[in-house]
Amino acid sequence: NAGVTQTPKFQVLKTGQSMTLQCAQDMNHNSMYWYRQDPGMGLRLIYYSASEGTTDKGEVPNGYNVSRLNKREFSLRLESAAPSQTSVYFCASLRSRHQSTDTQYFGPGTRLTVL
Amino acid sequence: RKEVEQDPGPFNVPEGATVAFNCTYSNSASQSFFWYRQDCRKEPKLLMSVYSSGNEDGRFTAQLNRASQYISLLIRDSKLSDSATYLCVVNGETGGFKTIFGAGTRLFVKA
Repeated sequence: NAGVTQTPKFQVLKTGQSMTLQCAQDMNHNSMYWYRQDPGMGLRLIYYSASEGTTDKGEVPNGYNVSRLNKREFSLRLESAAPSQTSVYFCASLRSRHQSTDTQYFGPGTRLTVL
Repeated sequence: RKEVEQDPGPFNVPEGATVAFNCTYSNSASQSFFWYRQDCRKEPKLLMSVYSSGNEDGRFTAQLNRASQYISLLIRDSKLSDSATYLCVVNGETGGFKTIFGAGTRLFVKA
């Protein structure tokens, strides 16, 4: 039982390049989330998926797209990377379809630098 | 004003000390509250949920004051291994997706 896994762990991009961050969970959770974490700021929600087949914008969605490929996998795509997207990206999952009293489980993070 | 505010610290305390963190939130409709712990360059992990009646887990005590809209975390008999960043987390309206993370309070426990 690996929990939430993310690939890659580290990535360096040049401005304008594209890439996809992968996330998978093996806990049969319904909801999945993508956050970014910047120094001095809390985690900010980029996109979330309440269930397979649905996705919705979070607080900071601009410059990103997501795909909920199946119940296990939720990917985050940067179509044209910008230096402002340099951050640590965390994927998380939640058993229920809405954030109530459930605990979120986080992946180990992807450290992305855009030059 | 940030929706969830925490003192960023850092708090530097000796082993065995008692340390308290406070967190305030702005949305009075918030439904559930948590403390997460985040080690350096690692992912956040749930430390404990916070209940209206207050709750304790070993050396850790969490309290919620809905009237004043603040949450606290008390750590007694601090250990070196308690050194981490503590995140205050507030969930918004029931059925909604309004989880707000505080920026975190950094704790260093020294021998």
